[in-house]
Amino acid sequence: GAVVSQHPSRVICKSGTSVKIECRSLDFQATTMFWYRQFPKQSLMLMATSNEGSKATYEQGVEKDKFLINHASLTLSTLTVTSAHPEDSSFYICSASDRGAYGYTFGSGTRLTVV
Amino acid sequence: GENVEQHPSTLSVQEGDSAVIKCTYSDSASNYFPWYKQELGKGPQLIIDIRSNVGEKKDQRIAVTLNKTAKHFSLHITETQPEDSAVYFCAASLNRDDKIIFGKGTRLHILP
Repeated sequence: GAVVSQHPSRVICKSGTSVKIECRSLDFQATTMFWYRQFPKQSLMLMATSNEGSKATYEQGVEKDKFLINHASLTLSTLTVTSAHPEDSSFYICSASDRGAYGYTFGSGTRLTVV
Repeated sequence: GENVEQHPSTLSVQEGDSAVIKCTYSDSASNYFPWYKQELGKGPQLIIDIRSNVGEKKDQRIAVTLNKTAKHFSLHITETQPEDSAVYFCAASLNRDDKIIFGKGTRLHILP
């Protein structure tokens, strides 16, 4: 089936530093990937749509300069949380579609803790 | 934009009984309605989906119904088992490869 790998699964960083999260489609090419954020016991909120070779499309209220998205190849999108603060602590999840038999597949998520 | 409402937020069901989770959506252009199961610390997993040209779909103990006129859809789990305990999310999208908007989730507890 279509597999989406996300790395790291957990990360702890100091306030003010930047953290990069990778999302890879392992056995298919994805021109589009999506990034979600999930706070404890809450739903998944779409942050942005990552487009290969072009700028990401951000949802209303999401700071572009804080959450940098790069989709440099058909199998990799990265989300960089810049100048992280404790309120950025959350579960970040990516997803991609193979536009074929499997459709949407989600990564296993990244638990970010900013201390 | 699309808005998805989901009820109930918490549901406790005796093992072996059925569970029903209901959702409504606002955008009549939505054509794809997936359901996801999420276990603690993991990403959501697709358990069943339905397209707008279908009224009902079943996969073993899981079924989904869609009323496009009323803009609501439901998940039915029969003969519930302990491993069904998880958080379930309904969602809506324009199509299967487009961005997905999630409901707030239902925490399902299967009681022994």
